[in-house]
Amino acid sequence: DAGITQSPRHKVTETGTPVTLRCHQTENHRYMYWYRQDPGHGLRLIHYSYGVKDTDKGEVSDGYSVSRSKTEDFLLTLESATSSQTSVYFCAISDFVDAPNEQFFGPGTRLTVL
Amino acid sequence: GQQVMQIPQYQHVQEGEDFTTYCNSSTTLSNIQWYKQRPGGHPVFLIQLVKSGEVKKQKRLTFQFGEAKKNSSLHITATQTTDVGTYFCAGPNSGAGSYQLTFGKGTKLSVIP
Repeated sequence: DAGITQSPRHKVTETGTPVTLRCHQTENHRYMYWYRQDPGHGLRLIHYSYGVKDTDKGEVSDGYSVSRSKTEDFLLTLESATSSQTSVYFCAISDFVDAPNEQFFGPGTRLTVL
Repeated sequence: GQQVMQIPQYQHVQEGEDFTTYCNSSTTLSNIQWYKQRPGGHPVFLIQLVKSGEVKKQKRLTFQFGEAKKNSSLHITATQTTDVGTYFCAGPNSGAGSYQLTFGKGTKLSVIP
């Protein structure tokens, strides 16, 4: 498996509290992604990064922000968590030096918002 | 935006039976990727198809990319309990966003021993 870790792996929080999820990679890959996975919806892209301090919105970005101050770290922040943000969050990385241009996924963070 | 649709959503098979999942894109794809996610796990890359009409095999798994590069299929021969999981197809967005993938919703495979 690619060197990707996510922290925390599990979190329970209350509505209205801020939450930050961390993704850390040791592969020096340029691209990093945050997805959420919900039953019946598959994997949906929240935000992505194409370099340090270069980020952009994905399909379901409302209520989320991201930051990437170093190549290896990509943070996902829920400014004020809501119950609809209860989900499993996956970080992924990719690089486009050689084909295939697959994405490598981290182990996931299960977030419950009460 | 680009849409990637997969059918069926669920499939229950007896061990030893064959299984097929189908993927259709609303746009022509430069390539298509397949991922497998075991229960409680994370998606893991299986394969990428690039050429029109391409067929690739990995042991009991056969992957096809359609001639028009808008559809793909994954066929598993003689399923085993180790095949249990959700299979996703994914296609890159066109143009400048090609490093982003749009995933299908997946086909969840259950294998009855």
